[in-house]
Amino acid sequence: EVQLVESGGGLVQPGGSLRLSCAASGFTFSSYEMNWVRQAPGKGLEWVSYISSSGSTIYYADSVKGRFTISRDNAKNSLYLQMNSLRAEDTAVYYCARSPTYSSGWFNDYWGQGTLVTVSS
Amino acid sequence: SSELTQDPAVSVALGQTVRITCQGDSLRSYYASWYQQKPGQAPVLVIYGKNNRPSGIPDRFSGSSSGNTASLTITGAQAEDEADYYCNSRDSSGNHLAVFGGGTKLTVL
Repeated sequence: EVQLVESGGGLVQPGGSLRLSCAASGFTFSSYEMNWVRQAPGKGLEWVSYISSSGSTIYYADSVKGRFTISRDNAKNSLYLQMNSLRAEDTAVYYCARSPTYSSGWFNDYWGQGTLVTVSS
Repeated sequence: SSELTQDPAVSVALGQTVRITCQGDSLRSYYASWYQQKPGQAPVLVIYGKNNRPSGIPDRFSGSSSGNTASLTITGAQAEDEADYYCNSRDSSGNHLAVFGGGTKLTVL
């Protein structure tokens, strides 16, 4: 059974940092592209960042570029999101999601349950 | 443009058919995927590609596409289909990888 379990969320002050983790199991983690997607309270889904299966290709949404860093450790079946210079507008549930390689589009077939990040003083 | 546009809310009578649409330039180049999200839960993939359903998704869910518009159709809507539905696709502008629509709240009457 495919499982994605996020951790590391919590309350942080504006300007602070937080590191999210996503533990993957039930599939060959090193074969899949991975993403972080977030959802602010009462709002829609927002794609945040992507990393290829090897970690060699990375993309970020404009809203987090220069502040967030995505990484992965295929030996530990884990995905990470280092979040620096956090702002109130970064408050959201952060989901990690698996992306099968698909040249005709993009989709996430499995999602974690999410971890809540609250940026507030 | 890297935007996907959805109607904010749609309603359907129990057992009837409803279509939820998603418009955007990227849909001329890439297929949309569709997600169902119920309150307090993570999104669930219901349609991807031309018209593919993941295992466990009922066959009353189907997808189609024409030009810059993708559609999710629920044939014979059930009470348990009441949820938020999001489309998404690869971004064709080259600036980003992916984009989500704003979501459609489906009410089953």
